Amino acid sequence: TQLLEQSPQFLSIQEGENLTVYCNSSSVFSSLQWYRQEPGEGPVLLVTVVTGGEVKKLKRLTFQFGDARKDSSLHITAAQPGDTGLYLCAGDTSGTYKYIFGTGTRLKVLA
Amino acid sequence: KAGVTQTPRYLIKTRGQQVTLSCSPISGHRSVSWYQQTPGQGLQFLFEYFSETQRNKGNFPGRFSGRQFSNSRSEMNVSTLELGDSALYLCASSSPDTWIYEQYFGPGTRLTVT
Repeated sequence: TQLLEQSPQFLSIQEGENLTVYCNSSSVFSSLQWYRQEPGEGPVLLVTVVTGGEVKKLKRLTFQFGDARKDSSLHITAAQPGDTGLYLCAGDTSGTYKYIFGTGTRLKVLA
Repeated sequence: KAGVTQTPRYLIKTRGQQVTLSCSPISGHRSVSWYQQTPGQGLQFLFEYFSETQRNKGNFPGRFSGRQFSNSRSEMNVSTLELGDSALYLCASSSPDTWIYEQYFGPGTRLTVT
């Protein structure tokens, strides 16, 4: 069974702090996506990465895809309460549109 | 463009009953995927339909089934409900026009089995 491990599971930080969330697997991904989910809603796509070593920025969020395409990280600079939510990574290892989701990181940013 | 809609939003059923959930994708999207989300197991892939054909299937028992109509709307059915089927069921649609498979999720249907 393919497994996508995310760490940490839970994170509670003060507004203005920086943080990094990790997504790791033993499998190689053809593409990897990051989502944020808020209570009572479905996940919202943040970014898709496809090339090993790729770095994408979305305002204060920086996404990196590992060189070997087995892992990814999400870095948030100067976190704000609006960043609170469940962060999920999802990878497609076979190019068959069957995405495996990570275990999730629940982030809480305190004002 | 209207987003993905799911109905109903909340549902309470009794063990042994069956349930049908509905998903309307974003206009123009032909792929619909279904996921089950629980606190213990996270988000798990159920199946994916593309142009009325099931293209992918996850590791769920045969009690979970789905279909897609010619207008791309999709339904999933769960028969003989068990307590463990209590979950948030999410559907996601995707456009075939991009080679990167970007999924847009609906708000989900919260199913409670008592």
